Amino acid sequence: AQTVTQSQPEMSVQEAETVTLSCTYDTSESDYYLFWYKQPPSRQMILVIRQEAYKQQNATENRFSVNFQKAAKSFSLKISDSQLGDAAMYFCAYRNNNNDMRFGAGTRLTVKP
Amino acid sequence: GAVVSQHPSRVICKSGTSVKIECRSLDFQATTMFWYRQFPKQSLMLMATSNEGSKATYEQGVEKDKFLINHASLTLSTLTVTSAHPEDSSFYICSAIDNPGYEQFFGPGTRLTVL
Repeated sequence: AQTVTQSQPEMSVQEAETVTLSCTYDTSESDYYLFWYKQPPSRQMILVIRQEAYKQQNATENRFSVNFQKAAKSFSLKISDSQLGDAAMYFCAYRNNNNDMRFGAGTRLTVKP
Repeated sequence: GAVVSQHPSRVICKSGTSVKIECRSLDFQATTMFWYRQFPKQSLMLMATSNEGSKATYEQGVEKDKFLINHASLTLSTLTVTSAHPEDSSFYICSAIDNPGYEQFFGPGTRLTVL
């Protein structure tokens, strides 16, 4: 079974600074998808960024980028120029080709003004 | 992006009653829908996966007779919590995958409180 581990229950960052959230996963499959989701107080899950395992290039979406290390099974999220609106729970997720998605425990990000 | 709705957003019921939660894909056909449960300050736990027209596949430890899932059409899945008890109180989230199965779209969730 696939597992997703987020080792940082809480993180904080100063506004305009950069923060990196960690995620590791365990799988025996070679083809899969990885995601970072943001869950604000409204509880609505918002897709931040996704990465296909077969792509070597790290995904980037504006201020959000990932460091995907397939051999190490690591998938960290970097948030640059942090904004107050970035404060939320962040979940790392793994999905296989059977659409079976598993989430990490989450990291609560606080942004300090 | 695609929209998934859930109804109701909040429901309070008495212990022993049944509650139905609807999940709809509004602008796409969802071949597969998922039901998650989230306790306060915890992650999303997959309860079951449903494919249109077939029986749902439940995760280990989830009682299929208690959490009835019906995926009658490509745009609607329902979760019925039967004989609800206070320990069933939680936040229930559905999600759906469109035909190519590339992205999973999440509903806004339903907060169930069983008194």
